[in-house]
Amino acid sequence: KAGVTQTPRYLIKTRGQQVTLSCSPISGHRSVSWYQQTPGQGLQFLFEYFSETQRNKGNFPGRFSGRQFSNSRSEMNVSTLELGDSALYLCASSQEGEADEQFFGPGTRLTVL
Amino acid sequence: AQKVTQAQTEISVVEKEDVTLDCVYETRDTTYYLFWYKQPPSGELVFLIRRNSFDEQNEISGRYSWNFQKSTSSFNFTITASQVVDSAVYFCALSEAYNNNDMRFGAGTRLTVKP
Repeated sequence: KAGVTQTPRYLIKTRGQQVTLSCSPISGHRSVSWYQQTPGQGLQFLFEYFSETQRNKGNFPGRFSGRQFSNSRSEMNVSTLELGDSALYLCASSQEGEADEQFFGPGTRLTVL
Repeated sequence: AQKVTQAQTEISVVEKEDVTLDCVYETRDTTYYLFWYKQPPSGELVFLIRRNSFDEQNEISGRYSWNFQKSTSSFNFTITASQVVDSAVYFCALSEAYNNNDMRFGAGTRLTVKP
């Protein structure tokens, strides 16, 4: 079974731009969660999508948004990029709720200049 | 509110030593889940264990063992006879039942095992 894939793996943007990250979950998994990892703040939960609906949301500004498609693939968008958005963005998939074991992808490293 | 504390920022041991990584959590929920993940230099988080709040039985998996104590809100992780390949950042995480998949991670403990 293929693991969670994330594209692109590396991205460089400048302040004010927007960016879209993609995540393909493990086949059969309906839940996709996104996390931001930075040296200063550690791993922080962004949001979770389940069956194309946002089910949970962390404490991030509205510039961070996401969506999930009918095939469970998910995208995350960050608008008006700031230097502080530079981070490793991790996607995790699981079958469904009840704190299932989450399988993480390799991440997308975003650098904002 | 849920919170996970990993007080040990970095630990360095010599191969074959035993090492324990501490994890203390806070939650108001009676039903919750605790996790340990390993993050090697490649960056991908690797699941190690999940434990629900009603199962206080300790677990052993090869060289790994976990000690869950609700009385002290701790979920410690011990590696026996450490190896160089165990070098990684280890994260403890908590998920409350009402907030599925909103996992709160600790700051992580960087373990370095020297040959």
